[in-house]
Amino acid sequence: AQKITQTQPGMFVQEKEAVTLDCTYDTSDQSYGLFWYKQPSSGEMIFLIYQGSYDEQNATEGRYSLNFQKARKSANLVISASQLGDSAMYFCAMRDNTGGFKTIFGAGTRLFVKA
Amino acid sequence: EAGVAQSPRYKIIEKRQSVAFWCNPISGHATLYWYQQILGQGPKLLIQFQNNGVVDDSQLPKDRFSAERLKGVDSTLKIQPAKLEDSAVYLCASSLAPGLGSYNEQFFGPGTRLTVL
Repeated sequence: AQKITQTQPGMFVQEKEAVTLDCTYDTSDQSYGLFWYKQPSSGEMIFLIYQGSYDEQNATEGRYSLNFQKARKSANLVISASQLGDSAMYFCAMRDNTGGFKTIFGAGTRLFVKA
Repeated sequence: EAGVAQSPRYKIIEKRQSVAFWCNPISGHATLYWYQQILGQGPKLLIQFQNNGVVDDSQLPKDRFSAERLKGVDSTLKIQPAKLEDSAVYLCASSLAPGLGSYNEQFFGPGTRLTVL
């Protein structure tokens, strides 16, 4: 069965420092995709980064990178040079071939960036 | 390019009343999703459409929730009758297709915040 686990309900980081948000997943499929979304207090979900299960290199998008460890089934998000605007909820999500490529989301991690 | 549109943005109703939400996806997106996001939780998929057909509605409480996507474009989600536990944000999303790959990322609307009293 599909499962996404985010064990950090809240995280604090100092402005300009890097932070890692944890995500582990479980699936029996060999082909799957992992997504990270940001949800500011305004409520919209913003797509950040994607990692496919067959991608050999870790995905990067600007200040976001995904530390993908397939054997450990982890897909941690790394935000470098944190900014005050990074304060938000962050959700890890997975999509596999189950049920027409259904996407499931983790419970989220709330990130607080301190000035 | 216009994003996913949803209305209304906020709705307050009494329990046992009915309510409907509307979603207009990004033009050309074949796949449309409705999610329920309860405060403090991640979004939970209620129903997924591919064009005007249902792909997955396994987590839709069918005794009270219904959804349709006529003509494969916009969609409505209805709750009748509403319960207190239906208080949540209802998110609509769309994607080009349901498969893997970053090009099939989901674009989300602003959501409808429902409060059931």
